[in-house]
Amino acid sequence: ETGVTQTPRHLVMGMTNKKSLKCEQHLGHNAMYWYKQSAKKPLELMFVYNFKEQTENNSVPSRFSPECPNSSHLFLHLHTLQPEDSALYLCASSVPGQGAPGANVLTFGAGSRLTVL
Amino acid sequence: SQKIEQNSEALNIQEGKTATLTCNYTNYSPAYLQWYRQDPGRGPVFLLLIRENEKEKRKERLKVTFDTTLKQSLFHITASQPADSATYLCARDSNYQLIWGAGTKLIIKP
Repeated sequence: ETGVTQTPRHLVMGMTNKKSLKCEQHLGHNAMYWYKQSAKKPLELMFVYNFKEQTENNSVPSRFSPECPNSSHLFLHLHTLQPEDSALYLCASSVPGQGAPGANVLTFGAGSRLTVL
Repeated sequence: SQKIEQNSEALNIQEGKTATLTCNYTNYSPAYLQWYRQDPGRGPVFLLLIRENEKEKRKERLKVTFDTTLKQSLFHITASQPADSATYLCARDSNYQLIWGAGTKLIIKP
């Protein structure tokens, strides 16, 4: 285990459903991220939180709604998704500069595989 | 815009040989490049980081190089093993965020 836990690991939902993905880390990291990974495509950064504050929203559609109640937990609320939103959603955390000044090394969870029917 | 390009075709290598993966970047040189390993159904795992002023970095059987003239990083696995089979991702920094390549799938055949 990496220290970043994502649940559920697999999720199948209809386009009218509302569901949430959960991410939890107890590494003491202050930054948390949501990424989308589609087959044969680079990781797409969706949201970044630093010390619970959202610092980046990469033009993500409003049907994805993040929530960060504290530095250890991150949620991604999903509603009225489209089939093209089917992908692996990865959560990551970091302490920018830790172990390598000026660098940002990420620790990822195992991901939540989302299928939208 | 900044991009990372990795060979999208799978790389097949015989066990025991050296596997070499390529990462090309565009525009200005990043302060550092990172390499991650990703197994099917899992998240990426950090392997190595190399800075712009470092030509080479080693960790056990892994070696990474950084050539600012070619705008390229090479990732080598020596004495490759079937357990090294995975997808390897390259990423460059951009204002404390990372820009990723799509990854190269490496298959080590016994």
